[in-house]
Amino acid sequence: DAGVIQSPRHEVTEMGQEVTLRCKPISGHNSLFWYRQTMMRGLELLIYFNNNVPIDDSGMPEDRFSAKMPNASFSTLKIQPSEPRDSAVYFCASSRTSGGARETQYFGPGTRLLVL
Amino acid sequence: AQSVTQLGSHVSVSEGALVLLRCNYSSSVPPYLFWYVQYPNQGLQLLLKYTSAATLVKGINGFEAEFKKSETSFHLTKPSAHMSDAAEYFCAVSVGGGATNKLIFGTGTLLAVQP
Repeated sequence: DAGVIQSPRHEVTEMGQEVTLRCKPISGHNSLFWYRQTMMRGLELLIYFNNNVPIDDSGMPEDRFSAKMPNASFSTLKIQPSEPRDSAVYFCASSRTSGGARETQYFGPGTRLLVL
Repeated sequence: AQSVTQLGSHVSVSEGALVLLRCNYSSSVPPYLFWYVQYPNQGLQLLLKYTSAATLVKGINGFEAEFKKSETSFHLTKPSAHMSDAAEYFCAVSVGGGATNKLIFGTGTLLAVQP
């Protein structure tokens, strides 16, 4: 079974550039989560989707961040324009929803973003 | 609101010693609790979870955790540490109802294992 797939694994860009992170959830999972991990703030939930619909985006830092899930097998997180403070590791996770709050989230390997 | 607190951001043990990583939760409803492990440069991996069945939960790699409602705790233990256990460990509580399994994570505990 393929796990959650994220690309790219590493991204180095300059301030002001657009960054797009991609995620393919595990097949059959209908919830998808985007997290950001930094030393200062730990692991933060940015947004999550159920059945491709955004349910809670209260963790999205500001309007520079946007996320989409056009179908059940693909999601993007976009930062435009990027800033040095966006440097972090971004994780995508997916889960089933049949078990509700007891379902396990499965994490991808992360995208390490550095904005210069 | 639900939350978790992990006491000790860094824990160091000797190889073969007991591992004890602490997690306390706050929840107005019966919680579902999770422990995840993160190895360097990797994503998070589930160690074990409590979903209101047995209070003593056994996970992978010899880890276990006991849910204690009276102490609002879900501490993670392993009888004998291995060098390969060196990683960061996160406790999390599931919030929301219905189909929602949104997780709130603790700040993590970095476990070092000394030879």
